Amino acid sequence: DAGVIQSPRHEVTEMGQEVTLRCKPISGHDYLFWYRQTMMRGLELLIYFNNNVPIDDSGMPEDRFSAKMPNASFSTLKIQPSEPRDSAVYFCASAPEPYGYTFGSGTRLTVV
Amino acid sequence: GNSVTQMEGPVTLSEEAFLTINCTYTATGYPSLFWYVQYPGEGLQLLLKATKADDKGSNKGFEATYRKETTSFHLEKGSVQVSDSAVYFCARRGYQKVTFGIGTKLQVIP
Repeated sequence: DAGVIQSPRHEVTEMGQEVTLRCKPISGHDYLFWYRQTMMRGLELLIYFNNNVPIDDSGMPEDRFSAKMPNASFSTLKIQPSEPRDSAVYFCASAPEPYGYTFGSGTRLTVV
Repeated sequence: GNSVTQMEGPVTLSEEAFLTINCTYTATGYPSLFWYVQYPGEGLQLLLKATKADDKGSNKGFEATYRKETTSFHLEKGSVQVSDSAVYFCARRGYQKVTFGIGTKLQVIP
């Protein structure tokens, strides 16, 4: 079991560019979560899916953020256009039920 | 709403010292409680959990007891090691999602 796989590990982009973060959950896990981690606000839940369907996106900061889960083995988090305040570590986590998460190693995003 | 409050760090201890990291939770319903650990450059890992009052979760020498009367789930370890240096997150299960505390950074010095 390779665990939750996120790509890229690091992303540096210029303000205004589109950024796409990717996540492959553990096979058989029905829940997928996207979190953002910053020093100021800690770990924030952005959105989560159950069986590929978005259930709660109330944590998505604004319309610049969007997330999709086209199938059970892949999800993306997109930021368009990106801003410096989006700089953070973004984590994807999956779970067979809504607790007992397995986290990926995260994507460190820097927007300059 | 559902939340957890944990002590702010950083916590700096000498090797073999006793560790306590405090955590309290909102008492809505009967939540399951968790401690997660995050090592540098990695994602969070489940350390231990407790699903009902008076349960004790334990793993790798760490323990936490679900105290309903004080709505607490404090993390303890009798003798910390340098390899325990990490950020520790208290968490509670709500409806279909887990709410995390802000995290407490622990630094253990030789």
